[in-house]
Amino acid sequence: GNSVTQMEGPVTLSEEAFLTINCTYTATGYPSLFWYVQYPGEGLQLLLKATKADDKGSNKGFEATYRKETTSFHLEKGSVQVSDSAVYFCALSDRNTDKLIFGTGTRLQVFP
Amino acid sequence: DTAVSQTPKYLVTQMGNDKSIKCEQNLGHDTMYWYKQDSKKFLKIMFSYNNKELIINETVPNRFSPKSPDKAHLNLHINSLELGDSAVYFCASSPMTGAVNTEAFFGQGTRLTVV
Repeated sequence: GNSVTQMEGPVTLSEEAFLTINCTYTATGYPSLFWYVQYPGEGLQLLLKATKADDKGSNKGFEATYRKETTSFHLEKGSVQVSDSAVYFCALSDRNTDKLIFGTGTRLQVFP
Repeated sequence: DTAVSQTPKYLVTQMGNDKSIKCEQNLGHDTMYWYKQDSKKFLKIMFSYNNKELIINETVPNRFSPKSPDKAHLNLHINSLELGDSAVYFCASSPMTGAVNTEAFFGQGTRLTVV
């Protein structure tokens, strides 16, 4: 079945460091791919998305590129801030089953 | 205006009780979901409704019963609560089923603690 695998956290960085959170997926067909962010005590918010191969999603300085050849959708940011501390979820949308399938989440902690 | 709202935000109850969590969305979406997030932050879909009809029913104990009186509401009723039901429950909605770029909008979550 379809699944999403994320790197385990926590990821601990100093402010202004470069961030990469790895995400790979297994899917039949051509899913849409998403990154959601969950700030402490809040629900999930969509951060960015990509709907087809080679698409790049971007928002708030974060980027991820839909790589069909490596079945990956890694999240990157050039310079993180303390306010980026949150849990980040990679997800795929299976159009056939109408499920949004999440990875296990990666906690990011940014220190000043 | 809150797009997807859940009540209550916190719920502490004893084992064996029956409780409900309410969810409403004012986005005009056709599809609503319930997700369970465990203590390790793992998110798992429980149910999905489209225009009041059940679409997805994952392997969830039948003590959990969703009810959708209209397409803007999807409530979750839980009978005979158990310790293992303690988790954060998220309601979500999306514009349509099977869309290429379907994205879900989440509520703030309900933290259920069974003691």
